[in-house]
Amino acid sequence: DQQVKQNSPSLSVQEGRISILNCDYTNSMFDYFLWYKKYPAEGPTFLISISSIKDKNEDGRFTVFLNKSAKHLSLHIVPSQPGDSAVYFCAASEGNTGKLIFGQGTTLQVKP
Amino acid sequence: ETGVTQTPRHLVMGMTNKKSLKCEQHLGHNAMYWYKQSAKKPLELMFVYSLEERVENNSVPSRFSPECPNSSHLFLHLHTLQPEDSALYLCASSQDQGAWQPQHFGDGTRLSIL
Repeated sequence: DQQVKQNSPSLSVQEGRISILNCDYTNSMFDYFLWYKKYPAEGPTFLISISSIKDKNEDGRFTVFLNKSAKHLSLHIVPSQPGDSAVYFCAASEGNTGKLIFGQGTTLQVKP
Repeated sequence: ETGVTQTPRHLVMGMTNKKSLKCEQHLGHNAMYWYKQSAKKPLELMFVYSLEERVENNSVPSRFSPECPNSSHLFLHLHTLQPEDSALYLCASSQDQGAWQPQHFGDGTRLSIL
């Protein structure tokens, strides 16, 4: 049973607009969440994270929102750029164990 | 990202072969990880090493045998694999074991079992 779900396999957005990637989780004990980006033939690259004591974390064009009551997090990219086209994975962890549970990924395509 | 290097990038082997995957990190990290990514599935954690000691074995079959001779190197020894073991195998490292320190991934080894 998947504890972290990314229900949208793909998303297409126009350059300059906002990209919103969503992630749902089932384990209420998860207390740390991360987003990774992956280009073809490369390993995932860490993008941004948020702990459960916060509901928002921002880093440049990337903002992650956490809604604990809904067990939902989202990654906002604004403005979107063609170089953002990649697969985005959300991941969650319970306690500071280093044991990450990943979602299936969402493929983002940003069109020029 | 060149801090974590995995070799080989591609490997084709028969079910009776024995081979090893290698991972090397140049980041001075103390924790290393093996993940498996099968087609259409999320990344699955296989093993966690912290300061060269295995701290997590995520119910992985014994035909996968990890080895961590020092904090910079991690191996995954493979023997008598099955076709369903064909997947992308990713190595990662972090400063210390803990989710609060992001893991840095290598580019993976694409393994095909004939």
